[in-house]
Amino acid sequence: QIVVTQEPSFSVSPGGTVTLTCGLSSGSVSSGHYPNWYQQTPGQAPRTLIYNTNTRSSGVPGRFSGSILGNKAALTITGAQADDESDYYCMLYIGSGIRVFGGGTKVTVL
Amino acid sequence: QVQLQESGPGLVKPSETLSLTCSVSGDSISNQYWSWIRQPPGKGLEWIGYIYYSGSTNYNPSLKSRVIMSVDTSKNQFSLKLNSVIAADTAVYYCARWFCSGPTCYYMDVWGKGTTVTVSS
Repeated sequence: QIVVTQEPSFSVSPGGTVTLTCGLSSGSVSSGHYPNWYQQTPGQAPRTLIYNTNTRSSGVPGRFSGSILGNKAALTITGAQADDESDYYCMLYIGSGIRVFGGGTKVTVL
Repeated sequence: QVQLQESGPGLVKPSETLSLTCSVSGDSISNQYWSWIRQPPGKGLEWIGYIYYSGSTNYNPSLKSRVIMSVDTSKNQFSLKLNSVIAADTAVYYCARWFCSGPTCYYMDVWGKGTTVTVSS
């Protein structure tokens, strides 16, 4: 069974930079996994931040960027703001029409 | 403005079937892919599967034996049935639309607000 891995939590200072990663239990993440990043605040539905590795969804601030770093997909928040405090989920396409979410990363801004 | 609205019973007994419907407004269900996702209390998101308007489906392997998705184009709705439910199926269930370009679907761009389903006797 394929598992998508994310850091459980991260803390970042206001104005700081944080990079979240999204890996596979076996193998490397590539653009062929079409990495997505979703942001979710408590009680709300997720919203898309990044799709297809590095494309920002409509209305998403430029401080959010996606990339492949080494063997993982990555989401970088540059100049973190208080309202970036959320849960962040990556999602990968693993083939045969199957999509898998990572376990999520809780980001605290303080 | 495209809106998705989940509906269905909020309480289901163990071993019974969970049935939810997602009503789509502001867009046609045709020629598009649609998904169900769930989130147990305090836990992460789980992709349940997707359905194309034609009725073709793809399910999470871990749920495949218990899931059936269907589409009703005349009502602009799609549905989820999860049978033999257990307490671990208690979750917020979301429906969502896929953004696709050509043969590739990239991400879920429109989500419903979610509906809470509790499995309990």
